[in-house]
Amino acid sequence: QVQLVQSGAEVKEPGASVKVSCKASGYTFTHYYMHWVRQAPGQGLEWMGIINPNGGSTTYAENFQGRVIMTSDTSTSTVYMELSSLRSEDTAMYYCTRVFDWNDVWFDPWGQGSLVTVSS
Amino acid sequence: QSALTQPRSVSGSPGQSVTISCTGTSSDVGGYNYVSWYQQHPGSTPKLMIFDVNKRPSGVPHRFSGSKSGNTASLTISGLQAEDEAEYYCCSYAGRYTPVVFGGGTKLTVL
Repeated sequence: QVQLVQSGAEVKEPGASVKVSCKASGYTFTHYYMHWVRQAPGQGLEWMGIINPNGGSTTYAENFQGRVIMTSDTSTSTVYMELSSLRSEDTAMYYCTRVFDWNDVWFDPWGQGSLVTVSS
Repeated sequence: QSALTQPRSVSGSPGQSVTISCTGTSSDVGGYNYVSWYQQHPGSTPKLMIFDVNKRPSGVPHRFSGSKSGNTASLTISGLQAEDEAEYYCCSYAGRYTPVVFGGGTKLTVL
C-alpha cells in the first residue's frame, strides 16, 4: 500500500537548521507531487511548499521563502525539507503528503509527521 | 491569519446535521472546483473526507457531503455521531504561485 514514512523527532537550538525526510513506497515516486504542511501545537495547518520529484522543481509559500529548501532523491524515493534560521515559532509537527496533479488539493496519504522542537 | 475563513467552532447533538463554512475569494474557492476537507482527531494525522468540492473518497461515510456557492464552500455532516467530534479543515487550490491555502480549522463538538 502507499506509505509515506518520515524521519524522527528533532530538537534544535534557535538559529540552527533541520532537515526532515519523507520516504515514499507503494507507488511510482516520480508520478506524484509532494507537499509539506506544518502544524504548530494547538494551531491549524500551514502549507509550506511543493516539490515535483520528477525534476525537482519547487514552489514555496511566501512565509518560508529564503528559509526552506525542498529536494528529492529518486534513487531512494525520498523527499527532504530543510528549514534554516530556526526560531521558537517553528516548533511544530511537519507532514509530507502527496498529490497527483499540480492543482490537486486532495492530500492522501499523509506521513506520520516529524516533530521539530526549537529550544535553547 | 489563515487565507480561508472558517468558524472557530460548531456543535450539534447526535443525529442532527451541522454545516461548516469555508469562505475564500474568487482567487481560490470561487475560482476553482478544487476544495477539500480534512478531519483531524487529537494526536492524529489529517484524514481526507471530501475532495473536488463534493467527492467522497472510498471509505468515507455518505453522511459527509460537500458543496460550494460562489466563494464559500461547505461541509455538511448529517446524522451526527460521537466519533465525528474533531477538528475540520478546508483547503483550496489558489493558483500557480500559491497553489494551496488552508482554513483556520473548525472544532466540531457533538453534544
